Amino acid sequence: DAKTTQPTSMDCAEGRAANLPCNHSTISGNEYVYWYRQIHSQGPQYIIHGLKNNETNEMASLIITEDRKSSTLILPHATLRDTAVYYCIVTLDDKIIFGKGTRLHILP
Amino acid sequence: EAGVTQFPSHSVIEKGQTVTLRCDPISGHDNLYWYRRVMGKEIKFLLHFVKESKQDESGMPNNRFLAERTGGTYSTLKVQPAELEDSGVYFCASSRNFRSSYEQYFGPGTRLTVT
Repeated sequence: DAKTTQPTSMDCAEGRAANLPCNHSTISGNEYVYWYRQIHSQGPQYIIHGLKNNETNEMASLIITEDRKSSTLILPHATLRDTAVYYCIVTLDDKIIFGKGTRLHILP
Repeated sequence: EAGVTQFPSHSVIEKGQTVTLRCDPISGHDNLYWYRRVMGKEIKFLLHFVKESKQDESGMPNNRFLAERTGGTYSTLKVQPAELEDSGVYFCASSRNFRSSYEQYFGPGTRLTVT
């Protein structure tokens, strides 16, 4: 079973920042937080990952709370192409356990 | 750099037949994974190769499924004999080095329909 809790769905206006929360209260000290997304009918796509510090790349930012029990994925300027299911995953090895994710709708 | 490729993109077979799915990982990636999503369910891990060796096959549903990765390059996943419940989308993913990068790059998937 997935070790994370995410809202089932969210809406965000195009051009605004999309903030996707994830709860992982049982995370252990050496487990990473990963985010993937799946755009309709495509394979999942890696977005970002982190351990303790906040991370940023060309796609998104990842904010991890100090106690590491929750995190937020931020898409700074959401576009229609960001409509997808976003998965928050906690793991210390290679096995990705996908949960139900958050279905993000970007509204024009 | 070419991405992960999978063949075929779609396959429709009858119950009891055999199907072989192929995955070509990104060149130089030692790790290769198989996942699948059956209708209405979450994406599930099937197994993980490191080069030609099976590192973890805990997700393989039963002995009708056989995965191989001869030579540590491409991989095949054979279903024999196929059952109705095997219908779904089979994804392959690859990553660079064991325990140095967990970023997995996924292929587009093979949609398998068993009738």
